[in-house]
Amino acid sequence: QKEVEQDPGPLSVPEGAIVSLNCTYSNSAFQYFMWYRQYSRKGPELLMYTYSSGNKEDGRFTAQVDKSSKYISLFIRDSQPSDSATYLCAMRQGGKLIFGQGTELSVKP
Amino acid sequence: EAQVTQNPRYLITVTGKKLTVTCSQNMNHEYMSWYRQDPGLGLRQIYYSMNVEVTDKGDVPEGYKVSRKEKRNFPLILESPSPNQTSLYFCASSPGTSGNTIYFGEGSWLTVV
Repeated sequence: QKEVEQDPGPLSVPEGAIVSLNCTYSNSAFQYFMWYRQYSRKGPELLMYTYSSGNKEDGRFTAQVDKSSKYISLFIRDSQPSDSATYLCAMRQGGKLIFGQGTELSVKP
Repeated sequence: EAQVTQNPRYLITVTGKKLTVTCSQNMNHEYMSWYRQDPGLGLRQIYYSMNVEVTDKGDVPEGYKVSRKEKRNFPLILESPSPNQTSLYFCASSPGTSGNTIYFGEGSWLTVV
């Protein structure tokens, strides 16, 4: 069983839709939970990170962590074509950083 | 400008010919790490370094070596590359090991024939 599981998609939505991206994990020792966005095989860029259960909001993005269920989510409101990218969840324990497989998102105008 | 620089960006090499992918950061970060990205597998950590002269294995260290002789540089060494090491490689750095922003390089496309 992989430590971090992420639905690879692809996911296609119309512009303006709410997007929900999810990851599950098995290692309860993970301390930090992150979401990255990656365009066309370029270096991933950090969208959000959190270290506790609950919600964290930044503009159109909301990150949610449920440590009891070992489940994290990223919600994108009012999605835009420019949001089309691959989204990767990642979890950190000390120096180890484990990524999900990535979900490819396409937002259609 | 804060950046992580990898070289070469693109390389085609032959099986068994030793190669080194360099990684340099200009942010005085303590933590550096290497990843490979393959279709359907996401990014997988190869090695990481918490500070100078301190390195540890990630999930897929076989066939790779690293060194951290100075803070800014963290080269990835393939002593005897094989075709299954054909991949996109990323180097990254961060100030520490909390949730700090991790800065990624632009990636190095490596093909072993």
